[in-house]
Amino acid sequence: EADIYQTPRYLVIGTGKKITLECSQTMGHDKMYWYQQDPGMELHLIHYSYGVNSTEKGDLSSESTVSRIRTEHFPLTLESARPSHTSQYLCASSESTGALYNEQFFGPGTRLTVL
Amino acid sequence: AQSVTQLDSQVPVFEEAPVELRCNYSSSVSVYLFWYVQYPNQGLQLLLKYLSGSTLVKGINGFEAEFNKSQTSFHLRKPSVHISDTAEYFCAVSGVNTGGFKTIFGAGTRLFVKA
Repeated sequence: EADIYQTPRYLVIGTGKKITLECSQTMGHDKMYWYQQDPGMELHLIHYSYGVNSTEKGDLSSESTVSRIRTEHFPLTLESARPSHTSQYLCASSESTGALYNEQFFGPGTRLTVL
Repeated sequence: AQSVTQLDSQVPVFEEAPVELRCNYSSSVSVYLFWYVQYPNQGLQLLLKYLSGSTLVKGINGFEAEFNKSQTSFHLRKPSVHISDTAEYFCAVSGVNTGGFKTIFGAGTRLFVKA
């Protein structure tokens, strides 16, 4: 069973709204990630975290922000949503040791539609 | 920079037929290779991974992959597919030249198994 959870699973909102996508994991992993997934495209890393109070931007520029106040929680916030933010957002986590070769555990994703 | 190319965006195949999903990566320097599967409306889950040792790696659900260093390939195979194998498959690589502990994902191959 997946030990990483994302809410909401689906979200349809209007332009200009502030939204927060929630991600929680119960595995005690230090490393967490946010990816953006569009059909037929690579998963693009938009944010990652080494641990509490550590966040970094990924390879794909994103107007979203993240926070890591607790090990298990890694929320993503969009201050003002736009139609260009419409996408699927995947959260993942991995163990700290052997960081290069450890698998990532993924949540089910949040499909965001901005009208 | 490291990159991953999945050579087929879609692969239709009849049930009980063999299948090969192709993956090439750009650099063979100290890489770790992964195949993930994403079923509809779910996150990605690990099928198999190559770290070192035997070049033939066996994974879950009867899948296997072969690491070929000279051709920088890591193709995924299954001798007889089932309807339930219909999903999207992602090849991924991590290593010293993927920017720390980040993982680079391919664009995915959609496997469609027909009855």
